[in-house]
Amino acid sequence: KAGVTQTPRYLIKTRGQQVTLSCSPISGHRSVSWYQQTPGQGLQFLFEYFSETQRNKGNFPGRFSGRQFSNSRSEMNVSTLELGDSALYLCASSLGAGTTNEKLFFGSGTQLSVL
Amino acid sequence: QQQVKQSPQSLIVQKGGISIINCAYENTAFDYFPWYQQFPGKGPALLIAIRPDVSEKKEGRFTISFNKSAKQFSLHIMDSQPGDSATYFCAATQGGGNKLTFGTGTQLKVEL
Repeated sequence: KAGVTQTPRYLIKTRGQQVTLSCSPISGHRSVSWYQQTPGQGLQFLFEYFSETQRNKGNFPGRFSGRQFSNSRSEMNVSTLELGDSALYLCASSLGAGTTNEKLFFGSGTQLSVL
Repeated sequence: QQQVKQSPQSLIVQKGGISIINCAYENTAFDYFPWYQQFPGKGPALLIAIRPDVSEKKEGRFTISFNKSAKQFSLHIMDSQPGDSATYFCAATQGGGNKLTFGTGTQLKVEL
């Protein structure tokens, strides 16, 4: 069974641009979550989608948005990029049952560099 | 707002030794506490997890100890091996869903 797939693996953008990252969850998983990982702030939750609906949201500005498609694939978008948005963006999927001990599977991430 | 504090930031252990990583939380509504292991260039992978109604959980060489009254939990890696060298994150969540609050991470190096 294929794991969580994130594309692209690396991305370089300049300030003010926008970027779209893609995530394909494990087959059969209906929940997709996004996390930002930086050396300074660590791992921070961005948002979670289930059945094309945002189920939870972290404390990030409105420049960060996401969506989920009917096949559970997800995209996240960052508009008007800032230098501080440089980070590893991780996607994670789970079955989506919403139970507390549901196992979360992470992809290898997209490394975004903003110049 | 740092709701899960993790220590130490880095740890060097000799092969065969015990690695111990500690975490403390503030939010008493947290009801699930997983530990993740991350290798360079990879995403975090779930290692072991515990619920607050259990004081200890063991899976192979990995054990979580949980102290609800102190709001602390720790990961013990017995017989540490060089292959265990990675960054370890504790995390916490509440009420289901996948909104995890992570600790700041511990970089573990196991030396021969």
